[in-house]
Amino acid sequence: DAGVIQSPRHEVTEMGQEVTLRCKPISGHNSLFWYRQTMMRGLELLIYFNNNVPIDDSGMPEDRFSAKMPNASFSTLKIQPSEPRDSAVYFCASSSRLDTGELFFGEGSRLTVL
Amino acid sequence: SQQGEEDPQALSIQEGENATMNCSYKTSINNLQWYRQNSGRGLVHLILIRSNEREKHSGRLRVTLDTSKKSSSLLITASRAADTASYFCATDEYGNKLVFGAGTILRVKS
Repeated sequence: DAGVIQSPRHEVTEMGQEVTLRCKPISGHNSLFWYRQTMMRGLELLIYFNNNVPIDDSGMPEDRFSAKMPNASFSTLKIQPSEPRDSAVYFCASSSRLDTGELFFGEGSRLTVL
Repeated sequence: SQQGEEDPQALSIQEGENATMNCSYKTSINNLQWYRQNSGRGLVHLILIRSNEREKHSGRLRVTLDTSKKSSSLLITASRAADTASYFCATDEYGNKLVFGAGTILRVKS
């Protein structure tokens, strides 16, 4: 099993640019989560999907952030326009159970906004 | 903040010693999980303990849960240099959202 696959692993961009982060969950998992990790705020849940449907996006910081899951094997997190305070490591995780079963994390996408 | 509290924030021990990390949370839970994160990597699930369980073992890991005190502890016995990592507890105290604590940084010196 390939695990959760995220791309890109590293992204450096300039303020104002659009950033798209991608995630392929583990096949057969029907729940997908996007987290953001920073030194100051730790791990924050941004949004999660169940069966491709967004369930809770209350953690999305601003309208600049959007997430989609067009099918069971792909999700994107988009930031437009990006700002320096968006610099963080963004993790995607998937689970076979929505009722807080074990999460399987990707290796993360480290975003730096200059 | 929704996050639980973990202590200590950092722990440095010698190889072979035991390491104990604690986690507290705010409301009722169905289960509590522990994860490990090596530097620059994603989180890896270690163990899950349900609210009706008091203790659980997995290899060199021992987890306890005290729902009356809203706290849990993770014990790593006979630590190894490879155990050096950050350790996080996570709870479902806010429904289906798994909320992580701030983590404990463990350094095992060889």
